[in-house]
Amino acid sequence: DAGVTQSPTHLIKTRGQQVTLRCSPKSGHDTVSWYQQALGQGPQFIFQYYEEEERQRGNFPDRFSGHQFPNYSSELNVNALLLGDSALYLCASSPGGSGANVLTFGAGSRLTVL
Amino acid sequence: GENVEQHPSTLSVQEGDSAVIKCTYSDSASNYFPWYKQELGKRPQLIIDIRSNVGEKKDQRIAVTLNKTAKHFSLHITETQPEDSAVYFCAASKDGNNRLAFGKGNQVVVIP
Repeated sequence: DAGVTQSPTHLIKTRGQQVTLRCSPKSGHDTVSWYQQALGQGPQFIFQYYEEEERQRGNFPDRFSGHQFPNYSSELNVNALLLGDSALYLCASSPGGSGANVLTFGAGSRLTVL
Repeated sequence: GENVEQHPSTLSVQEGDSAVIKCTYSDSASNYFPWYKQELGKRPQLIIDIRSNVGEKKDQRIAVTLNKTAKHFSLHITETQPEDSAVYFCAASKDGNNRLAFGKGNQVVVIP
């Protein structure tokens, strides 16, 4: 079991550009959540996808959008990048359902905006 | 929404001593409290979790205690070893939500 895989691992963009990050959940998991972790901070919830729909959203602007595919993989898109978007973006997967389930995190995509 | 706070921000302990990290939460409906360990440049790894129907849980050198009345929970690491050096995050979530609210993290340094 490869666990949660994310790509790319590192990338550098300039202000105003757009970025797409990808995530494949752990086998057997159908729910994908995205978190932003700024340097020296705890992860902050961006949004969660289940059954190809955004189920919950944190306090992030509309520049942050996502998608989930029929195979449960997911993408995070960020438009009009700002310097403050520089962070580690973590994907976490979990089995579906309404319970508070254990999250499995990927290694993250480190985004640097210049 | 849920607000989770962690104290202290940095903790240094001698190898073999115990380390305790405390977190408080604001939403009384939260019922799931995991602890994650994150080594430099690596993913957060779940080390222990507790649900609100129990007050304490142990796994070898690690234990977590929960006080629902006071809305705080703590991580206890006994017989610390150098490999315990990392950043530890507490978090909280509730049924029907499955969305973790994290604290800011505690840097634990175990001095050999």
